Amino acid sequence: EVQLVESGGGLVQPGGSLRLSCAASGFTFSSYDMHWVRQGTQKGLEWVSAIGTGGDTYYPGSVKGRFTISRENVKNSLYLQMNSLTAGDTAVYYCARVTPWIGSGFDIWGQGTMVTVSS
Amino acid sequence: DIQMTQSPSTLSASVGDRVTITCRASQSISSWLAWYQQKPGKAPNLLIYKASSLESGVPSRFSGSGFGTEFTLTISSLQPDDFATYYCQHYNSFPWTFGQGTKVEIK
Repeated sequence: EVQLVESGGGLVQPGGSLRLSCAASGFTFSSYDMHWVRQGTQKGLEWVSAIGTGGDTYYPGSVKGRFTISRENVKNSLYLQMNSLTAGDTAVYYCARVTPWIGSGFDIWGQGTMVTVSS
Repeated sequence: DIQMTQSPSTLSASVGDRVTITCRASQSISSWLAWYQQKPGKAPNLLIYKASSLESGVPSRFSGSGFGTEFTLTISSLQPDDFATYYCQHYNSFPWTFGQGTKVEIK
């Protein structure tokens, strides 16, 4: 079964750091582009970061310089290092897969992990 | 950044109705548009990619159309399982952005 499972969420103080992980299974992880998408409580979806199969990375302005996406293909794992967190980063964070050769959009999502930034 | 605007924000409809949701991009995105369905407490689910391609396993009552800046998602005959929030999303260039969502409610 194709699956993504996030972990690492929790409560962190403003200015703090957190590292999210996403474990992939059921597909050849190294062949797919991977992304993080977040959703604030009762809010819409916001794309957070992307990493291509060659390790190229992309971020929106809201997190650039604070968040770092990385991948470890031998462990079938995706990561998101989040620094200098603010209340505005409070959200459910999803990892999501994109199938690059068909231009699929996010075709597989994890169940999400909650990040709460509060003192 | 490319802005995605959905309309309406909320839609009240009955089982069996034909439903259409519109998504407009602030500049041309060719066909690089996806539609998602999301139910409360769950991750989004891909319905349509490349504006009109139906994702595997998605019922054929869902269809997408459009090119450039204007797109539509149509549900040909609304079913009880379709009451949810729907999002469009462009992937023409980074940063990828989503529409604000359309909640489909029971009339």
